[in-house]
Amino acid sequence: NFMLTQPHSVSGSPGKTVTISCTGSSGSIASKYVQWYQQRPGSAPTTVIFEDSQRPSGVPDRFSGSIDSSSNSASLTISGLKTEDEADYYCQSYDNSDWVFGGGTKLTVL
Amino acid sequence: EVQLVESGGGLVQPGGSLKLSCAASGFTFSDYAMTWVRQAPGKGLEWVSSISGSGTRTYYADSMEGRLTISRDNSKNTLFLQMRGLRGDDTALYYCTKKDRWEPTTWGQGTLVTVSS
Repeated sequence: NFMLTQPHSVSGSPGKTVTISCTGSSGSIASKYVQWYQQRPGSAPTTVIFEDSQRPSGVPDRFSGSIDSSSNSASLTISGLKTEDEADYYCQSYDNSDWVFGGGTKLTVL
Repeated sequence: EVQLVESGGGLVQPGGSLKLSCAASGFTFSDYAMTWVRQAPGKGLEWVSSISGSGTRTYYADSMEGRLTISRDNSKNTLFLQMRGLRGDDTALYYCTKKDRWEPTTWGQGTLVTVSS
């Protein structure tokens, strides 16, 4: 079964840049679209990146997504960190028609 | 504005059944596949089940297959999840989601299912 692996936690200072990785277990992650969700405490998830690198309207351009085929991974990069970015972040892709989630990464803005 | 409003959660005894609903508005419901995702307390997101726009194709997570039936009523813009043989590890917040190619996933606010005696 296809699995996605994320680091448990990352941290950064306000104004800095952090990157969260999401590594696929098998096959080519580049052949499957990856979504990124932000979840603040007590709230439902929201989409910050869809289809690998697309930003929904209303999501600041500080958020960007990319795919690295050589490492079979997707990445979410947040630049110009703000305290409001502190949240859990989940990547999600597909295994045929099934949805597959990474385990989530807690972002702490120090 | 797209809205997804879940209902039907609550406290149920182990081995019991529960039917969740998701009322959709703001889009042509029958054009979209719909998906249930759950989140146990303090844990990550877990895919539960998906259904095609017409309702003819359904998909289930192995962890719950055989205990679930996903369905939809396109005339009432409503998605359902019938759960049976509930166990303690089914305790979670259950989210209804909408996703199509080249569109971001839209999430409801969730409905809480607690399985306990």
